[in-house]
Amino acid sequence: GAGVSQSPSNKVTEKGKDVELRCDPISGHTALYWYRQSLGQGLEFLIYFQGNSAPDKSGLPSDRFSAERTGGSVSTLTIQRTQQEDSAVYLCASSRDYHAYEQYFGPGTRLTVT
Amino acid sequence: GQQLNQSPQSMFIQEGEDVSMNCTSSSIFNTWLWYKQDPGEGPVLLIALYKAGELTSNGRLTAQFGITRKDSFLNISASIPSDVGIYFCAGRINTNAGKSTFGDGTTLTVKP
Repeated sequence: GAGVSQSPSNKVTEKGKDVELRCDPISGHTALYWYRQSLGQGLEFLIYFQGNSAPDKSGLPSDRFSAERTGGSVSTLTIQRTQQEDSAVYLCASSRDYHAYEQYFGPGTRLTVT
Repeated sequence: GQQLNQSPQSMFIQEGEDVSMNCTSSSIFNTWLWYKQDPGEGPVLLIALYKAGELTSNGRLTAQFGITRKDSFLNISASIPSDVGIYFCAGRINTNAGKSTFGDGTTLTVKP
């Protein structure tokens, strides 16, 4: 079966523009996570969704960041008025449910803000 | 918030050598996880540890959950070129089962 897919794989944008990053989780996985990975750093938690529950947004770094998950499947991470410090790889992961320890990661979207 | 200190930051070893890396935290975790990330890919889970003192193996990989629940180590025996990549530790507290706190990674280079 298909794994987690993300699009685009690479995105170059000008400072101040908005970007949308997409994640397609594994079919049937109810939990979905977004992480940010800066160069040489570990993964920074951003947000997670579990079923129909309210998302945990505690990791979003500013109000320029938002995410949606439509129909319990596809998720979109939106960054408004991008800044150069937003440049990073954005990773999406899904797991069977909130309690499942194994998260399956997508290949990430490399965002470069010029 | 919780932070994990992972060391070493990078390692350059000869094929066939053993490797050891570790993670320490000021907070207690009830689950420790070790991931490997290849270039251009997302991390893949290698080993999960659930109990203090637990020692778990997966092929040439061995990981241990520290007794204090504040540390974990990963050993790789008889390294091979495909072991190259970034290894991350991650900790989870059961009440926040969904999200994990990640270390900054250990970059492993294996010279043939």
